[in-house]
Amino acid sequence: GENVEQHPSTLSVQEGDSAVIKCTYSDSASNYFPWYKQELGKGPQLIIDIRSNVGEKKDQRIAVTLNKTAKHFSLHITETQPEDSAVYFCAASRADAGKSTFGDGTTLTVKP
Amino acid sequence: SAVISQKPSRDICQRGTSLTIQCQVDSQVTMMFWYRQQPGQSLTLIATANQGSEATYESGFVIDKFPISRPNLTFSTLTVSNMSPEDSSIYLCSCDRDGGYTFGSGTRLTVV
Repeated sequence: GENVEQHPSTLSVQEGDSAVIKCTYSDSASNYFPWYKQELGKGPQLIIDIRSNVGEKKDQRIAVTLNKTAKHFSLHITETQPEDSAVYFCAASRADAGKSTFGDGTTLTVKP
Repeated sequence: SAVISQKPSRDICQRGTSLTIQCQVDSQVTMMFWYRQQPGQSLTLIATANQGSEATYESGFVIDKFPISRPNLTFSTLTVSNMSPEDSSIYLCSCDRDGGYTFGSGTRLTVV
């Protein structure tokens, strides 16, 4: 089955700096890669996703890049703000299978 | 993306009892997923629930312990049976709508 590794497990940045979280996956058949933000006491919220036919996707301060050959994808947050502080999860799945395999999560802390 | 209403949001239960968690989606979806998230950890898929067929369970999870119902395309329930303290966790439902995965807000279960 699919195995997703996520790094780092914790990340602390100064407000305004950039944050990068990286994930690798094992199943070359995976073709859908979402990123979730989970705040305390809440369910994960989809913040951005990318499919295997695209190398990069951007949405305001958030971007995701995908390298299919190397089987890794990354989340980039620019101009970080204290409200970006949360746990971020990457995931990988095959669109026809539906279910996702999640990384272990990254706790991001943005210091004002 | 879809909106999921999940209840209860939290409960404290006696060991040996059962708890049924409900998820209602605001639109019809083919597949619904049930996850468990232990404190400070990632999400682990319990089972996939399709309407009109038995749920498909992941390794380590069995129907007798986690029976699931999917009576129609907008609703599903997960029962945690014969609970023990090891079942204390957050339980989340999820669905795929228009290519994006949405999660319920979770049920925080404590077994005493």
